[in-house]
Amino acid sequence: QKEVEQDPGPLSVPEGAIVSLNCTYSNSAFQYFMWYRQYSRKGPELLMYTYSSGNKEDGRFTAQVDKSSKYISLFIRDSQPSDSATYLCAMRIIQGAQKLVFGQGTRLTINP
Amino acid sequence: EAGVAQSPRYKIIEKRQSVAFWCNPISGHATLYWYQQILGQGPKLLIQFQNNGVVDDSQLPKDRFSAERLKGVDSTLKIQPAKLEDSAVYLCASSSFTGVVYGYTFGSGTRLTVV
Repeated sequence: QKEVEQDPGPLSVPEGAIVSLNCTYSNSAFQYFMWYRQYSRKGPELLMYTYSSGNKEDGRFTAQVDKSSKYISLFIRDSQPSDSATYLCAMRIIQGAQKLVFGQGTRLTINP
Repeated sequence: EAGVAQSPRYKIIEKRQSVAFWCNPISGHATLYWYQQILGQGPKLLIQFQNNGVVDDSQLPKDRFSAERLKGVDSTLKIQPAKLEDSAVYLCASSSFTGVVYGYTFGSGTRLTVV
């Protein structure tokens, strides 16, 4: 079993739709959770990070963490064609090295 | 702030040949990472440096991969000899804090094709 599971998609939605991206994890020691966005032929860029369970909002993006269920989500409201990219969840434990463990990535396309 | 620089952007080699990738992290970033991203998969950590010391190389195939970070700044990753399954994007990333996570800054990667 992989430490982090993410539905690879692809996911295609019309412009303006609400998008939900999800990851599950098996290691209860994970405490920091992040979402990265990766455009084609580019490196991942940090979109959001969160530490505690609950919601964190940043503009059109909301990150949600449920540690009891080992489940994290990223919601995109009013999706735009420019949001088309691969979205990677990532997480790590608190102590020790800063190694991030990534999910497989979900490829998202927003259709105009 | 300049980003993480990587070169070359693309490389095509035959199996059993050797190849090297170069990374220049963001100035002042003590921690440097090399990740391997196979098509359709998430990045996998190969090696992590703290200044010029290795923190984690548990997933580095040491029989063919090597990496160094001289003077705690630039880093090179080498593959010798390459195999077909090494075809991937090799991402370099750096971060400035060891105890507090703000995420990494990634370079654009080197896309390696082994034929």
